[in-house]
Amino acid sequence: DAGVIQSPRHEVTEMGQEVTLRCKLISGHNSLFWYRQTMMRGLELLIYFNNNVPIDDSGMPEDRFSAKMPNASFSTLKIQPSEPRDSAVYFCASVRGAGWDEQFFGPGTRLTVL
Amino acid sequence: KQEVTQIPAALSVPEGENLVLNCSFTDSAIYNLQWFRQDPGKGLTSLLLIQSSQREQTSGRLNASLDKSSGRSTLYIAASQPGDSATYLCAVEYGNKLVFGAGTILRVKS
Repeated sequence: DAGVIQSPRHEVTEMGQEVTLRCKLISGHNSLFWYRQTMMRGLELLIYFNNNVPIDDSGMPEDRFSAKMPNASFSTLKIQPSEPRDSAVYFCASVRGAGWDEQFFGPGTRLTVL
Repeated sequence: KQEVTQIPAALSVPEGENLVLNCSFTDSAIYNLQWFRQDPGKGLTSLLLIQSSQREQTSGRLNASLDKSSGRSTLYIAASQPGDSATYLCAVEYGNKLVFGAGTILRVKS
């Protein structure tokens, strides 16, 4: 099992550009979580999907952020337009079941918005 | 408000020493508590998961305890090694939402 796969691993973009982050779940898992990690705020939950359905998006900072799960194993997190304060490491986590099982994290995408 | 606090923020110990990392949480209505390790520039690796009905979990040199009533968990690392150097994060699960502590940065000196 390759574990949770995230791409790209690093992204540098200019303010105002659209950014798309990608995540592939572990086979057989059906819950996905997107997190953001910054020095100032630590790890924060952005959105949680179960069986492709968004369950809790209360952590999404604003309308510039959107997330989709077009199939059972893949998700995207899009920021449009991006701003320098979006610079962070974005992690996705994969869970077998409804969410209160062990969470397996991907390697993260380091986003820098200039 | 659900908050998770980790003490100390940083810890430096000589190799071979036993050590304890502390985690406290304000809302005791938890589903489970998970300890993670994060190496610099890397993702999170799950170390131990304690369900709310459990008191402790062990994996190798690691032992995690949970006291829901007092809102505390400890991670005990026995016979520490330089390879244990990392940031250790405590995360409490509340109904599908993980709330993370700020972490303890551990350095084990050889």
